[in-house]
Amino acid sequence: DAKTTQPPSMDCAEGRAANLPCNHSTISGNEYVYWYRQIHSQGPQYIIHGLKNNETNEMASLIITEDRKSSTLILPHATLRDTAVYYCIVRPTDSWGKLQFGAGTQVVVTP
Amino acid sequence: GAVVSQHPSWVICKSGTSVKIECRSLDFQATTMFWYRQFPKQSLMLMATSNEGSKATYEQGVEKDKFLINHASLTLSTLTVTSAHPEDSSFYICSAQTGTFAKNIQYFGAGTRLSVL
Repeated sequence: DAKTTQPPSMDCAEGRAANLPCNHSTISGNEYVYWYRQIHSQGPQYIIHGLKNNETNEMASLIITEDRKSSTLILPHATLRDTAVYYCIVRPTDSWGKLQFGAGTQVVVTP
Repeated sequence: GAVVSQHPSWVICKSGTSVKIECRSLDFQATTMFWYRQFPKQSLMLMATSNEGSKATYEQGVEKDKFLINHASLTLSTLTVTSAHPEDSSFYICSAQTGTFAKNIQYFGAGTRLSVL
């Protein structure tokens, strides 16, 4: 399974955009990039996913590089409630859709 | 997004007893459900995958006789921790999705915190 690399932590100012990087250099052509976040003591929350095109929804934008070896999750206007651990996961298509969580990035949004 | 309900949210039990955790998809039919465990300050670890009407597939190192999984309907899966011991104390989280493809979104419950005394 393709592995992902994320910075262990990031700080972000409230109201500013938060750009969360993720490297997945061994990603295969049919593997999706998923982003989830986990607020303390809660279950993970789905944010967004994509295959090769950039994606945007009400929560965030996902920018995937043309070679698909890295991606960036963008939270356009961070709020204090966005403080969480963010997980970037490459999801294989042939293993019952399992998600393998790594260590993620601890994002702290400060006033 | 779709809603996955998990119950109970918190349970305390004595060593040697069994505990059942329920996971329900409230507004969609979940052909596949997953069970995870998370220890303090660690990431989620997948325990098992269950498909409706069939036996669960356990990850390597997870004792199938200790963690009994039943996925009897398209909206309900249960995890029973049998003969629980203090080392089983953890945060258990379920998730559910329609189908088994990577494009299908997996939605998570709020988790169950198990404390075994």
